[in-house]
Amino acid sequence: GNSVTQMEGPVTLSEEAFLTINCTYTATGYPSLFWYVQYPGEGLQLLLKATKADDKGSNKGFEATYRKETTSFHLEKGSVQVSDSAVYFCALYDSGGGADGLTFGKGTHLIIQP
Amino acid sequence: DTAVSQTPKYLVTQMGNDKSIKCEQNLGHDTMYWYKQDSKKFLKIMFSYNNKELIINETVPNRFSPKSPDKAHLNLHINSLELGDSAVYFCASSQGYGLRSGGYTFGSGTRLTVV
Repeated sequence: GNSVTQMEGPVTLSEEAFLTINCTYTATGYPSLFWYVQYPGEGLQLLLKATKADDKGSNKGFEATYRKETTSFHLEKGSVQVSDSAVYFCALYDSGGGADGLTFGKGTHLIIQP
Repeated sequence: DTAVSQTPKYLVTQMGNDKSIKCEQNLGHDTMYWYKQDSKKFLKIMFSYNNKELIINETVPNRFSPKSPDKAHLNLHINSLELGDSAVYFCASSQGYGLRSGGYTFGSGTRLTVV
């Protein structure tokens, strides 16, 4: 079956630090990959996506590159802000997996201190 | 002008009660979903509806039943509520069967507390 593994949190960084949140996946087919962000008290919002190998998704200074050889989709940002504090979810959609719906990782809680 | 709206935002109820959570989307999407997020933030899909047809039914208790009067609405009915049902429930929608749109739009969640 499909699965997504993220680094455990919370991850605590100082403002302007470099961020990496690791994400690896297993899938039966050729998945599309996503990062979602959940701010406190809110629903999930799509942050970025990539649909094929070597694609780079980017949004709001965040980037992630679809690496098929390492089955990874790590999230990076060069300089984080306090407003980036949230829970980040890596997810995949695999049309060959025999089921619909996104498979989510368990989420990584990011805390940015001023 | 909320794209995916859920009501209520908070729901506190006693064990054994029956409750409903409503979801509406104004995006013109034809597939809607219900996800459950537990206390550790883990998200699991419960149901999805495409053109009024159930296309996923994960291993959830049959006390949970989705109802879709039209493609803009997917309500969640829960009978005989149990303590373990306490969670945040998220509604979502997408265009097309599968993920041709490239992502889902989520509602802001309904926090259900069973006491």
